[in-house]
Amino acid sequence: DIVMSQSPDSLAVSLGERATITCKSSRSVLYSRNNQNYLAWYQQKSGQPPKLLIYWASTRESGVPDRFSGSGSGTDFTLTISSLQAEDVAVYYCQQYYTRVPTFGQGTRVEI
Amino acid sequence: QVQLVQSGSELKKPGASVKVSCKASEYTFTSYAMNWVRQAPGQGLEWMGWINTNTGNPTYAQGFAGRFVFSLDTSVSTAYLQISSLKAEDTAVYYCARAGGSGTNDLYYFDYWGQGTLVTVSS
Repeated sequence: DIVMSQSPDSLAVSLGERATITCKSSRSVLYSRNNQNYLAWYQQKSGQPPKLLIYWASTRESGVPDRFSGSGSGTDFTLTISSLQAEDVAVYYCQQYYTRVPTFGQGTRVEI
Repeated sequence: QVQLVQSGSELKKPGASVKVSCKASEYTFTSYAMNWVRQAPGQGLEWMGWINTNTGNPTYAQGFAGRFVFSLDTSVSTAYLQISSLKAEDTAVYYCARAGGSGTNDLYYFDYWGQGTLVTVSS
């Protein structure tokens, strides 16, 4: 199975500042035939189910604020929150869906 | 608006069984795969497997074959997760999650999630 590793495990960011989370996969999730990275990001607020933020590594889901952006390719990916808002306090997970066994990172807790 | 509504919390004794339902609405149920994800208390997300909602064929992740069964009732757009011979370590929130993409009934990112069902196993 592909192992997804996120860093850091937690971070504290001031309101309005940038938050950056990285995700590394144990092998490439870039599918050469369509040049797509099979990588998604989710936000999970306390007591709620996860919510899809980003898919194909950089495509923002409908309704997700544009302060959230995803980048990277192959094995190294980044989720950036450009200007942290109070409502962004949550745990963030990356997930690969490249193989028949989707796997998640361990999560990164973002606090103010 | 697409919705996945799961059944309520369950408290079970070790050795018992439980069946969790996930009712889908506002989309063609048989066009999108349904996944199950477990989240133990204070822990991360663990993919349990998925079911092809067109063929009914389930696929189980390692560690979830045997006591865990995925099923469907397409007449009411509902997916089910049954867990038998419950153990204390099965205590978790269980989520159903639709696989997005282009309606190909295959594994993709998870675009809609149920609200979760807490299953507590305790004597």
